[in-house]
Amino acid sequence: DAGVIQSPRHEVTEMGQEVTLRCKPISGHNSLFWYRQTMMRGLELLIYFNNNVPIDDSGMPEDRFSAKMPNASFSTLKIQPSEPRDSAVYFCASSLQVLNTGELFFGEGSRLTVL
Amino acid sequence: AQSVTQLGSHVSVSEGALVLLRCNYSSSVPPYLFWYVQYPNQGLQLLLKYTTGATLVKGINGFEAEFKKSETSFHLTKPSAHMSDAAEYFCAVSAFSNTGNQFYFGTGTSLTVIP
Repeated sequence: DAGVIQSPRHEVTEMGQEVTLRCKPISGHNSLFWYRQTMMRGLELLIYFNNNVPIDDSGMPEDRFSAKMPNASFSTLKIQPSEPRDSAVYFCASSLQVLNTGELFFGEGSRLTVL
Repeated sequence: AQSVTQLGSHVSVSEGALVLLRCNYSSSVPPYLFWYVQYPNQGLQLLLKYTTGATLVKGINGFEAEFKKSETSFHLTKPSAHMSDAAEYFCAVSAFSNTGNQFYFGTGTSLTVIP
């Protein structure tokens, strides 16, 4: 299995630009999570999906952030417009939720730098 | 509500010495507990997990953890530290809800191994 695949691995952009991060979860997994990691705030849950449906987006910082999961094999996290404080590593993780025992499998992350 | 507390954001040990990373949790339901490791510029990977059954759980790379319900703890240990163990370690608790699993992560402990 290829694991969780994220792209791009690195993104450098200027303030005000739109950023789209992509994630392909492990085949057969039914839950998908987006996390943000910074030195100051650690690992923060942004949003998670069950069976492609957004369940909890309370961690999404503001309206500039949006996430979609059009099908079981693809999800996007979009930031529009981006700001320097959005600079972070964004992780996607997937899980097979069966009787609450499924662990998270993380991608390698997308490192975003907003200038 | 569920939460995780990791005592000590930085731990230093000498090569060959015992590694002890502390994790305490709170959970209103029987928890499932996890330890993840993150090497520089990588995603998190699972070290070990406790779901049910034996309270002493063995993981990869010689790590183990013991679930102690009375102490609400899930400390991570390794008898003899190796230089390659230097990394960030995260404790997590999973809680089931009618909308699926939520994962709650601690703030992480950075392990330094001194030659």
